[in-house]
Amino acid sequence: RKEVEQDPGPFNVPEGATVAFNCTYSNSASQSFFWYRQDCRKEPKLLMSVYSSGNEDGRFTAQLNRASQYISLLIRDSKLSDSATYLCVVNDGNQFYFGTGTSLTVIP
Amino acid sequence: SAVISQKPSRDICQRGTSLTIQCQVDSQVTMMFWYRQQPGQSLTLIATANQGSEATYESGFVIDKFPISRPNLTFSTLTVSNMSPEDSSIYLCSVRDRTSYEQYFGPGTRLTVT
Repeated sequence: RKEVEQDPGPFNVPEGATVAFNCTYSNSASQSFFWYRQDCRKEPKLLMSVYSSGNEDGRFTAQLNRASQYISLLIRDSKLSDSATYLCVVNDGNQFYFGTGTSLTVIP
Repeated sequence: SAVISQKPSRDICQRGTSLTIQCQVDSQVTMMFWYRQQPGQSLTLIATANQGSEATYESGFVIDKFPISRPNLTFSTLTVSNMSPEDSSIYLCSVRDRTSYEQYFGPGTRLTVT
């Protein structure tokens, strides 16, 4: 079983839609969680850390469910510029594990 | 967040040759890493670049193939030695904040081996 698993998509959504991605992790002792955004042919860029209480940054909301061992990313009012691959990253205190990414395309 | 630059940004190399990739950070960082991202895949950690000592390699990666230097807290190099087409990939330098564990990546070096 992979340490981190994501639905690869692609998710194709119209502008203005709300879209949510989930990411499951296998190690219940995992400590830190992040969402990264990667544009085509570019490096991953930190979108947001995921805190136990959940956190919001503008149109983006990240949540952690330790009982079910998943994190989620909710994007409201999708913009064309949100089109990218979203990577889930989990740290177990020793290693960092990267998901394979979920592809999002926002359609006009 | 740190500003990270890498050189070269891309290269096309012949099999059997070696390429050295440079990573420069605009501030002193303790934790620096080298990753590889093959087409359509996620990131794979190659090694942790330790300042003043030998790099720590992940399973499947060895020093003879991927020698790493870390002469100070702002600079590191990764060499891809005796290249084969399977080494074609994007190589990314990364730094990590010791407190928040947030990671920041350089722009990457796109390597094609023919």
